[in-house]
Amino acid sequence: GESVGLHLPTLSVQEGDNSIINCAYSNSASDYFIWYKQESGKGPQFIIDIRSNMDKRQGQRVTVLLNKTVKHLSLQIAATQPGDSAVYFCAENAPAFGNEKLTFGTGTRLTIIP
Amino acid sequence: DAGITQSPRHKVTETGTPVTLRCHQTENHRYMYWYRQDPGHGLRLIHYSYGVKDTDKGEVSDGYSVSRSKTEDFLLTLESATSSQTSVYFCAIKGTSGGAEQYFGPGTRLTVT
Repeated sequence: GESVGLHLPTLSVQEGDNSIINCAYSNSASDYFIWYKQESGKGPQFIIDIRSNMDKRQGQRVTVLLNKTVKHLSLQIAATQPGDSAVYFCAENAPAFGNEKLTFGTGTRLTIIP
Repeated sequence: DAGITQSPRHKVTETGTPVTLRCHQTENHRYMYWYRQDPGHGLRLIHYSYGVKDTDKGEVSDGYSVSRSKTEDFLLTLESATSSQTSVYFCAIKGTSGGAEQYFGPGTRLTVT
């Protein structure tokens, strides 16, 4: 991959299995969270978002869980496919920034084993 | 890709030379952003714009300037490139759903020798 972290946490999952990627966020006041997917040589791609008044949100093959008590966010990908191999990172928005700015995590590299 | 293009996609330049990167969007978004992405760091905000001729600094703005004379174009300039500015640069726009989501361009890989 290009410049997406030489020492990222990594997760290897067998094709067809489910994967769970975790993110610890920093600001207890953050009210909006996003998961991004970044494939090698490409820009980050929006996957799913969740607001702080929710604890779960589902999309197509993905589920995001939010635990505000421990400031933890997770992304579950069901029935993983080779195309899911990428770096995944979370982002948070704090009310102090309005909706203008995001703070990004460094990410986790997901590898799907055929 | 949210209608965002970046140019050039790759550039190699020498220390001390000026460099301008261009971000172009086709969907009339008000907010535009420039980030850099480096190993061991999350995306870091350089500058952003909230309208034509309205810009503000991000967390790593030193050595960079921006301009936005038209809604569709947001330019990032390195007045005198340094090796520490070797990075991948991403432009983003803010979505219109009322949340804080941003959508990214394909990136520009800049190498300063």
